[in-house]
Amino acid sequence: SQQGEEDPQALSIQEGENATMNCSYKTSINNLQWYRQNSGRGLVHLILIRSNEREKHSGRLRVTLDTSKKSSSLLITASRAADTASYFCATVIGGATNKLIFGTGTLLAVQP
Amino acid sequence: KAGVTQTPRYLIKTRGQQVTLSCSPISGHRSVSWYQQTPGQGLQFLFEYFSETQRNKGNFPGRFSGRQFSNSRSEMNVSTLELGDSALYLCASSLEAPLRGRAFFGQGTRLTVV
Repeated sequence: SQQGEEDPQALSIQEGENATMNCSYKTSINNLQWYRQNSGRGLVHLILIRSNEREKHSGRLRVTLDTSKKSSSLLITASRAADTASYFCATVIGGATNKLIFGTGTLLAVQP
Repeated sequence: KAGVTQTPRYLIKTRGQQVTLSCSPISGHRSVSWYQQTPGQGLQFLFEYFSETQRNKGNFPGRFSGRQFSNSRSEMNVSTLELGDSALYLCASSLEAPLRGRAFFGQGTRLTVV
């Protein structure tokens, strides 16, 4: 079963608007990562936030992490049509494993 | 530096056949993981190899197997294919173990079973 669930499942916005996606997970984590996937292609790493961090920025991306609520959010500011993709959160639980447990994903459509 | 390379990109196989997919990780990366992506189940972890040893396995039947070679290249094999095995198979490589950093994904192999 999957560790995370994302919400909303789909999101449609206009260019220039902000997009917020949320991710909830079930067990304690080592870190949480966000990935983007363009239609049917490989995953591209966006940002990683460690369990002892609360907020992280990278360009137009802002990620928050609330370990008490077991949730994270990804904010994309000033969206562009090129941001249209599926976005997944993935957790790393820890131990001697490189296993990523993915959420269900949010499909973002940015209308030009 | 070359990225993660998966071959082939597309495959069509018949039920009952077997298939082998290949993944070449980024140079210097010793960990290779495999994931299956389907519309119904999403992204599911298959297995992970590190220095030729399988360290973790997901909840898949024994028809799914893999191996890693001394040069870190990895293959996964699916025997006795079923229609439900149709999926995008993604390979990821990473440097650190355990995963404290990002994973690098290939473009995937799209397998269609008919």
